[in-house]
Amino acid sequence: DIQMTQSPSSLSASVGDTVTITCQASQDINNYLNWYQQKRGKAPKLLIYDASNLETGVPSRFSGSGSGTDFTFTISSLQPEDIATYYCQQYDNGRYTFGQGTKLEIK
Amino acid sequence: EVQLVESGGGLVKPGGSLRLSCAASGFTFSNCNMNWVRQAPGKGLEWVSFIDNSSTTIYYADSVKGRFTISRDNAKNSLYLHINGLRGEDTAVYYCTSSIPIRPLSQHYWGQGTLVTVSS
Repeated sequence: DIQMTQSPSSLSASVGDTVTITCQASQDINNYLNWYQQKRGKAPKLLIYDASNLETGVPSRFSGSGSGTDFTFTISSLQPEDIATYYCQQYDNGRYTFGQGTKLEIK
Repeated sequence: EVQLVESGGGLVKPGGSLRLSCAASGFTFSNCNMNWVRQAPGKGLEWVSFIDNSSTTIYYADSVKGRFTISRDNAKNSLYLHINGLRGEDTAVYYCTSSIPIRPLSQHYWGQGTLVTVSS
């Protein structure tokens, strides 16, 4: 099974900051990686698919990069409404693994 | 508008059984692959099971294999999860998710979830 190691587990930043979250796969997953945002009490929302593609309607301050085993998720100019937990997810032909999540707080 | 509405959760004793349902609307259900994903209280997301649009291909997480059965009825636009032998560690919110046709392995749409609590 493919394991995903996401870091950090929590993060505190100020409005306007640039925030970066990383995710490492235990084996090469090409670009089969998604990023989700989950706000408290809500279902996750897909933000980035295939490592670097912005889902329709998602603000351009969100971005993703990487391929193979190492991936990065970035929020540029952090906004108060970005308070949430973020998850990476790999998909391997119908089997999926999530990272442990990164809880983002505003200073 | 795409909607996925889960139902069937509740309080169940250890060893008990349950059937979760997910009613889909606003898209062509029979064209989309579906999944169940769960989240234990205060914990992260865990993928549970995948079923393709024609029920030909089915996968399970190792943690539920042999106890959970995923199925779908395309005529009723519905997805199901039959759960047997419930354990405390199965306590979670269960979400159904759907792909979109151009990205068949995506988990694009999510329902709001149904809570399963396993306790004596």
